[in-house]
Amino acid sequence: SQQGEEDPQALSIQEGENATMNCSYKTSINNLQWYRQNSGRGLVHLILIRSNEREKHSGRLRVTLDTSKKSSSLLITASRAADTASYFCATDSSGNTPLVFGKGTRLSVIA
Amino acid sequence: DAGITQSPRHKVTETGTPVTLRCHQTENHRYMYWYRQDPGHGLRLIHYSYGVKDTDKGEVSDGYSVSRSKTEDFLLTLESATSSQTSVYFCAISSGTGPTGELFFGEGSRLTVL
Repeated sequence: SQQGEEDPQALSIQEGENATMNCSYKTSINNLQWYRQNSGRGLVHLILIRSNEREKHSGRLRVTLDTSKKSSSLLITASRAADTASYFCATDSSGNTPLVFGKGTRLSVIA
Repeated sequence: DAGITQSPRHKVTETGTPVTLRCHQTENHRYMYWYRQDPGHGLRLIHYSYGVKDTDKGEVSDGYSVSRSKTEDFLLTLESATSSQTSVYFCAISSGTGPTGELFFGEGSRLTVL
């Protein structure tokens, strides 16, 4: 069963705009990760945020985590056409089991 | 690149035939995983391995078996392929000491079962 669920399922924005994707999960976690997948390719790790962290930055990416609401958000600032991809959140439910992935958000950035 | 390769990348087979997908890593990582990706379902874990000859089931393990006789190779076998196993299969390796670290993915193996 899916641990994390991304929202929205699909998002279309203009180049230069910010893109925000959300992830909700069901059980306590030790960490939450975001991945990106370009069409026809494997997933690529973007960022990991631990349960005791509230915010993390990496370049144009900003991730927040609210453990009280069991939710996370991924913000991509100043989007580019090359950011067009699917984005997945993944969580560990107990700390010693493999990651469980959500169904992903499909982002389209229009030039 | 994380040094992970999958083979074959594409395969078309018929119902009832056996199929083996291979995942090869050059990183000497302990953890290896097989996921399948289907529209509407995202990625679902089939099996994973935490060492040579040490494997465990994932969420959708029925109809699949795995073997890991060497650190670098993790094989996924469909003993008798069915049309419901048409999917894209991804192998991943974990850089951490446990199963919850950052994953590095292969490029995927697209399997079509007719």
